Amino acid sequence: DSGVTQTPKHLITATGQRVTLRCSPRSGDLSVYWYQQSLDQGLQFLIQYYNGEERAKGNILERFSAQQFPDLHSELNLSSLELGDSALYFCASSAMGHEADTQYFGPGTRLTVL
Amino acid sequence: AQKVTQAQTEISVVEKEDVTLDCVYETRDTTYYLFWYKQPPSGELVFLIRRNSFDEQNEISGRYSWNFQKSTSSFNFTITASQVVDSAVYFCALVPSGTYKYIFGTGTRLKVLA
Repeated sequence: DSGVTQTPKHLITATGQRVTLRCSPRSGDLSVYWYQQSLDQGLQFLIQYYNGEERAKGNILERFSAQQFPDLHSELNLSSLELGDSALYFCASSAMGHEADTQYFGPGTRLTVL
Repeated sequence: AQKVTQAQTEISVVEKEDVTLDCVYETRDTTYYLFWYKQPPSGELVFLIRRNSFDEQNEISGRYSWNFQKSTSSFNFTITASQVVDSAVYFCALVPSGTYKYIFGTGTRLKVLA
């Protein structure tokens, strides 16, 4: 158990809808990362937050947004969902958000868009 | 371009065999970090090792060992005397310094047969 929690575990929704994925980092970690894992794209870095501020952006679509709250939990919002958004979404956390930090991954949220 | 190549999509071995998972990376940065993660059937990514670009020492941890060679841009992972519990997908990742972004390879699925 990495100490990173993600809810929900599974989410089934329809095209065009909007969903919110939630992540709580390990106790003491200030940085949160979001990743998408799909069969065709593999593991893709989406975005990183450090202590409430966006630090790095990867291949995140404009339909997706994220934020990190004062209590350090983070939410990933996915809107106007398409079939291709079906994937496993991972959250990870690290102590200081430095590139040398080990990232600890949560169990993931499996999103299915029908 | 920054890239990680794991050319072996899937490897099957019989228990107690040794197996090497290959990882080749591309980056123009002189400072970077390399990681290996394991993704067992449960889905959660588990950290195995971190290596920075200035440390070419090989490392051994129990049955696991890592061979980092800057000259060939490789960071290979060997499991000695494999066990069924080693069955998982293994990911190699590159983090160029200052980018904060993990660049993952496509993973190698290892199946250890009893």
